[in-house]
Amino acid sequence: SQQGEEDPQALSIQEGENATMNCSYKTSINNLQWYRQNSGRGLVHLILIRSNEREKHSGRLRVTLDTSKKSSSLLITASRAADTASYFCATDASGNEKLTFGTGTRLTIIP
Amino acid sequence: KAGVTQTPRYLIKTRGQQVTLSCSPISGHRSVSWYQQTPGQGLQFLFEYFSETQRNKGNFPGRFSGRQFSNSRSEMNVSTLELGDSALYLCASTDGNTGELFFGEGSRLTVL
Repeated sequence: SQQGEEDPQALSIQEGENATMNCSYKTSINNLQWYRQNSGRGLVHLILIRSNEREKHSGRLRVTLDTSKKSSSLLITASRAADTASYFCATDASGNEKLTFGTGTRLTIIP
Repeated sequence: KAGVTQTPRYLIKTRGQQVTLSCSPISGHRSVSWYQQTPGQGLQFLFEYFSETQRNKGNFPGRFSGRQFSNSRSEMNVSTLELGDSALYLCASTDGNTGELFFGEGSRLTVL
């Protein structure tokens, strides 16, 4: 079963706009990671945020984590056509090295 | 350094057959995880190996098995294939310092 649920399931925006995806999870975590997957390919790690961090930046990516609400958001600024992909959050529950993935958000950037 | 390598990339089997998939992790990574990805169920954790020992196991039937060798290479086996086993099987090795997973391109299995 999925630990995380992404919202929305699908998102289409114009190139240049910002895209925001949300992830909710169920149990206490050590850290939360975001991954990108281009169609039918392997996943690529984007960013990791630890449970004691609230915000993290990497290039055009901004991730926030609210452990009290058990939720995280991924913001992609100034979107590009190459950002078209599925985005997954993944968590490792405290005391368990297993990484569990959410259901994913399918992002489409319209040129 | 080389990434995670999975073989074969594509394969077609018929019901009742068995299949073995192979994964070579990034050099120095000792943990290898396997995931099944289908449109209906998303990414489902199969198992994780660390230093030749299964450390975690997902909720899959006993037809799904795996192993890890002393060089950290891993294999997974599915016996008595069913139509529902058609999926993309992804292998990932873990950077022990950061917890980041590095994925291979996957093995796409079609069961007819």
